[in-house]
Amino acid sequence: NAGVMQNPRHLVRRRGQEARLRCSPMKGHSHVYWYRQLPEEGLKFMVYLQKENIIDESGMPKERFSAEFPKEGPSILRIQQVVRGDSAAYFCASSTPGPLYNEQFFGPGTRLTVL
Amino acid sequence: QQQVKQSPQSLIVQKGGISIINCAYENTAFDYFPWYQQFPGKGPALLIAIRPDVSEKKEGRFTISFNKSAKQFSLHIMDSQPGDSATYFCAASRNNQGGKLIFGQGTELSVKP
Repeated sequence: NAGVMQNPRHLVRRRGQEARLRCSPMKGHSHVYWYRQLPEEGLKFMVYLQKENIIDESGMPKERFSAEFPKEGPSILRIQQVVRGDSAAYFCASSTPGPLYNEQFFGPGTRLTVL
Repeated sequence: QQQVKQSPQSLIVQKGGISIINCAYENTAFDYFPWYQQFPGKGPALLIAIRPDVSEKKEGRFTISFNKSAKQFSLHIMDSQPGDSATYFCAASRNNQGGKLIFGQGTELSVKP
């Protein structure tokens, strides 16, 4: 039973480039969450998605960041025109609908470095 | 308020000792309180969680104590082992907010042999 999968695990971009981070939830999970972890800090909520819908994007920066979870395929977190401050670990978590939906299981993360 | 405050920032415990990490929250609407364990370079792993209708939950060497009136909860690790050395995060969420987790700042635990 595969867990949450994220790729790439490490991503290096130069300032101004685009970063695309992918997340495949656990089998049977239809809820996806993205969190960001800055160096030496805790995790900060970014966005919550269900298939084809953004449910809560209250933690997303207003510009350059977007997320999607299409009907088919992985969830994508997209960062346009990256800046050095975007360097962080980005974690995806998934959960199942129903009474246990609070239980979120995390992927290994994508570590983004902006040069 | 959405904040969750965690202490201490770092903790050193001898092998076999008890590790205690504390968290306090402000929003009384929170109704789910998990603890996550994170090793360097890895994603957080769900360790144990509690809901406010109980005051204590135990799973193996890990126990959550919950004090609803004080708006505090804590993680106790009994018989701490060097393999427990990791960063621990408490979190809180609300059912009607889709379950987004509000995390504490983390505690770096080091268990000395």
